[in-house]
Amino acid sequence: NAGVTQTPKFRVLKTGQSMTLLCAQDMNHEYMYWYRQDPGMGLRLIHYSVGEGTTAKGEVPDGYNVSRLKKQNFLLGLESAAPSQTSVYFCASSPGTATYEQYFGPGTRLTVT
Amino acid sequence: RKEVEQDPGPFNVPEGATVAFNCTYSNSASQSFFWYRQDCRKEPKLLMSVYSSGNEDGRFTAQLNRASQYISLLIRDSKLSDSATYLCVVTNTGFQKLVFGTGTRLLVSP
Repeated sequence: NAGVTQTPKFRVLKTGQSMTLLCAQDMNHEYMYWYRQDPGMGLRLIHYSVGEGTTAKGEVPDGYNVSRLKKQNFLLGLESAAPSQTSVYFCASSPGTATYEQYFGPGTRLTVT
Repeated sequence: RKEVEQDPGPFNVPEGATVAFNCTYSNSASQSFFWYRQDCRKEPKLLMSVYSSGNEDGRFTAQLNRASQYISLLIRDSKLSDSATYLCVVTNTGFQKLVFGTGTRLLVSP
């Protein structure tokens, strides 16, 4: 039982390049989330999903897109990376039932130059 | 004003000390409250939920004061392994969205 995994762990992009971050969970959770964490800002919600085939915007969605084609996977895309998107990205999942506990992946450290 | 506010610290304490963190939240409609722990360069993990009646888990005690809109975490008999950043987290109405504070850093020294 791997929990929540993220691919890749590290990436360096040039401004204007695109990439996709993959999040996978094997806990059969309904809800999945993408956050970014920046110094002094705390974790901020980018996009989330309440089930397969659904997505919604969070607090800071601009410049990102997401897809949830399969229940276990949640993809975060950057179409044209900007230096302001340099951050640590965390994916999380939760059962979507009575508990609000979210389980986080190990993070992806992205640098945009 | 930030929705969840914490003193960033760091709090430097010796092993065995008792240390307390507070956190304030601005949305009076907030429904659920948590403390998460985040080790350096790692993901956040749930430490404990916070209930109005207060709750204790070993050396950790969490309290909620809805009237004053603050949450506290008390750590007794601090261990070196308690060194981490402690994140105060609240949820708001309508959905399981967590709002995170920026965290309080704790450093426990021998």
